[in-house]
Amino acid sequence: QVQLVQSGGEVKKPGASVKVSCKTSGFRFNIYGFTWVRQAPGQGLEWIGWSSAYNGEIKYAQKFQDRVTMTIDTSTSTAYMELRSLRSDDTAMYYCARAASVAGTTDYWGQGTLVTVSA
Amino acid sequence: IVMTQTPLTSPVTLGQPASISCRSSESLVHSDGNTYLSWIQQRPGQPPRLLIYKISNRFSGVPDRFSGSGAETDFTLKISRVEAEDVGVYYCMQATHSLGQGTRLEIE
Repeated sequence: QVQLVQSGGEVKKPGASVKVSCKTSGFRFNIYGFTWVRQAPGQGLEWIGWSSAYNGEIKYAQKFQDRVTMTIDTSTSTAYMELRSLRSDDTAMYYCARAASVAGTTDYWGQGTLVTVSA
Repeated sequence: IVMTQTPLTSPVTLGQPASISCRSSESLVHSDGNTYLSWIQQRPGQPPRLLIYKISNRFSGVPDRFSGSGAETDFTLKISRVEAEDVGVYYCMQATHSLGQGTRLEIE
């Protein structure tokens, strides 16, 4: 069955970086892409960006453009999202989700990774 | 594209219907002819889950009390008879990147 399993929670200090992984199984990894979304405590879902294992396409939300990097490792069927220069308002649950294209349907979601930014 | 949902909170009685609207700032019809408008459910403490895709298609395992409709810029999610397990927040989502603010479904 399709599975997206994310890395465990992280606690970081302001100014540090965090790299969240999304390890997949149960489908052909290299024909899909992955969107990343976050949810601050008590808030709604916020789109961070997209990376494609199919054609290498990458799109970032303008808000995160200068602080985020999304990568793909086809050898391990894993997608990654790195966020730099962390601030306290980056404290959130981060989710990966699968889609066939950036214009398509986001169907399967990971369980989430809690990133806490605190001095 | 801006996605606007109404209402932001929906108190409903068990067994009664519920309806959530979503309006986009521009047409969501893709060049391939499809409209990639989805409805996502997030139960308390759980990750998001796909309910409806391409306006009106129920995803695997989704009960048939959930239905979606609409076209172009106006879309609706309906629950025919609300059950306790339906409590949570519902989001409309355009493709992979534009999300509504969320509608909280509560039991009265």
